[in-house]
Amino acid sequence: RKEVEQDPGPFNVPEGATVAFNCTYSNSASQSFFWYRQDCRKEPKLLMSVYSSGNEDGRFTAQLNRASQYISLLIRDSKLSDSATYLCVVNIESAGTYKYIFGTGTRLKVLA
Amino acid sequence: SAVISQKPSRDICQRGTSLTIQCQVDSQVTMMFWYRQQPGQSLTLIATANQGSEATYESGFVIDKFPISRPNLTFSTLTVSNMSPEDSSIYLCSVVRLRGSNYGYTFGSGTRLTVV
Repeated sequence: RKEVEQDPGPFNVPEGATVAFNCTYSNSASQSFFWYRQDCRKEPKLLMSVYSSGNEDGRFTAQLNRASQYISLLIRDSKLSDSATYLCVVNIESAGTYKYIFGTGTRLKVLA
Repeated sequence: SAVISQKPSRDICQRGTSLTIQCQVDSQVTMMFWYRQQPGQSLTLIATANQGSEATYESGFVIDKFPISRPNLTFSTLTVSNMSPEDSSIYLCSVVRLRGSNYGYTFGSGTRLTVV
């Protein structure tokens, strides 16, 4: 089983739609969680951290379920500019060192 | 977040040669990380570069193939040695910063390597 698993997609949605991605992780010692966005031929960029209580940033909502070991990302009112690959990232911290595990990403294409 | 300058942005190299990739960070950071992203794949950690000590390599990566230097807290290099076409990939350096109660990764713009 992969340490971080995501549905690769692609998710093709019309503008204005709401779309949700899930990501599951296998290591219960995982401590921090993030969603990154990667545009084609670009480096990944932090979209948002994921807090235990859930958090919202504009049209984006992230949630964490530790019991079931998954995180989610909800995008409301999709824009064409949201088209990208969304990477789920899990951080495991041990003895002062960090190890970030990346999912393979979920491709989103927002259609006009 | 940190600003990272990575170069070269791309290169085409002959097999058997070596390429050194440089990353310069705009402020001091304890740990720098080197990742590889092969076509259609996610990021795979190659090694963690700590200033003043040997880099820590992940399973499947060895120092002879990917020597790393970390001469100070703002700079690191990764060398891809004795290249083969299988080394064609995007190589990214990154740093992690503590911001409030959160940790965040910032990446360099990547080096797109093609080995022919």
